[in-house]
Amino acid sequence: QVQLVESGGGVVQPGGSLRLCCATSGFTFSTYGIHWVRQAPGKGLEWVAFSRSDGSTTYYADSVRGRFTLSRDISKNTLNLQMNSLKSEDAAVYYCTKGTSTDDYSLHFWGQGTLVTVSS
Amino acid sequence: DIQMTQSPSSLSASVGDRVTITCRASQSISNFLSWYQQKPEKAPNLLIEDASSLQSGVPSRFSGSGSGTDFTLTISSLQPEDFATYYCQQSYTAPLTFGGGTKVEIK
Repeated sequence: QVQLVESGGGVVQPGGSLRLCCATSGFTFSTYGIHWVRQAPGKGLEWVAFSRSDGSTTYYADSVRGRFTLSRDISKNTLNLQMNSLKSEDAAVYYCTKGTSTDDYSLHFWGQGTLVTVSS
Repeated sequence: DIQMTQSPSSLSASVGDRVTITCRASQSISNFLSWYQQKPEKAPNLLIEDASSLQSGVPSRFSGSGSGTDFTLTISSLQPEDFATYYCQQSYTAPLTFGGGTKVEIK
């Protein structure tokens, strides 16, 4: 069955960096787009970024563009989110999520999330 | 970016009540609208996509309607397990955007 497992969260100081990983299984990684969605404590859902199935096309929210970078490791079936210049407002649970069709924008499958805390 | 406005932000209801949540898009999104349920400390769960297509395993008391800019999620008879927060999301174009959420609480 489809599984998405996030890792890499933790505590980081403002201005620091963190690399999140979404490990996938149960589907052909190279044929699906995958999103990152985050949720700040007590707040709503915010879409962060999307890696299209072609492996080279990416989209980012304005709030993270230029600071966050997506990359795929096809050999490991993982999607990485490199987060630089972190701000307090980046503190959130980060979910990776995908749909049922190739580059689906409806989010059918979700990981359990990984918590990022930005604090000095 | 397409703005999604959800109302109400919270509501109190009793078991058995009919509950309606509305979502409005800042521009037409055809039927590219999804609804999610989220319980505390859990990832969201997709209930409905394409405005009215109920996902497998989701109880039939949930239904969605609408097209263009105005959409509705209805729970026909609220059950104890339905107390949660609900989000709409436009799946029309990137950046994907979510409504602010509706928290359904027990009266």
